[in-house]
Amino acid sequence: GESVGLHLPTLSVQEGDNSIINCAYSNSASDYFIWYKQESGKGPQFIIDIRSNMDKRQGQRVTVLLNKTVKHLSLQIAATQPGDSAVYFCAESTGGYNKLIFGAGTRLAVHP
Amino acid sequence: KAGVTQTPRYLIKTRGQQVTLSCSPISGHRSVSWYQQTPGQGLQFLFEYFSETQRNKGNFPGRFSGRQFSNSRSEMNVSTLELGDSALYLCASSSKISGRAAGELFFGEGSRLTVL
Repeated sequence: GESVGLHLPTLSVQEGDNSIINCAYSNSASDYFIWYKQESGKGPQFIIDIRSNMDKRQGQRVTVLLNKTVKHLSLQIAATQPGDSAVYFCAESTGGYNKLIFGAGTRLAVHP
Repeated sequence: KAGVTQTPRYLIKTRGQQVTLSCSPISGHRSVSWYQQTPGQGLQFLFEYFSETQRNKGNFPGRFSGRQFSNSRSEMNVSTLELGDSALYLCASSSKISGRAAGELFFGEGSRLTVL
């Protein structure tokens, strides 16, 4: 498939370990944040979102943490599986509109 | 429920030509957004349409344009193609138009444009 980004930071983890992907966002006025997963040759796929009035939200095997003080977002994946290998993007939105500002992305490589 | 459908999936053009890309949103979704993805610049917002009106626009030159039809299908056009326009063009649809849940977008698989 086509490469999403040639020089993305890469996080390498062992299967079964927990993964933490970090993201610094740019706009202190952003009020909605999303994590997307993009596999090779596919469009981004929604993982989990969080609003600025929360600091933690959990989904199935995933947790998003938001620290507005330092404008930092993280995605935690529990018991990482080979199928989790992909590029992960954080995105921010301001004012309730569907215009997202994406981060540069992090490549997650899961090794058996 | 069918996902977001983009056509064509792949196309090759030469500099100076123009191109039109098509997007059919998920049934019932009225908001359609377009993004450009390149290895150097990442994912960048182009524009968003709702009810046949452009609601938001990113920082792209006027060569990039779009429209939305009454059935919510959308097209984007790039005129006078440049080498730097080579990219994956992604369309996303949303059922949310504003308010608390705005921003949850469902993406298609993209149209990969190569400009020679």
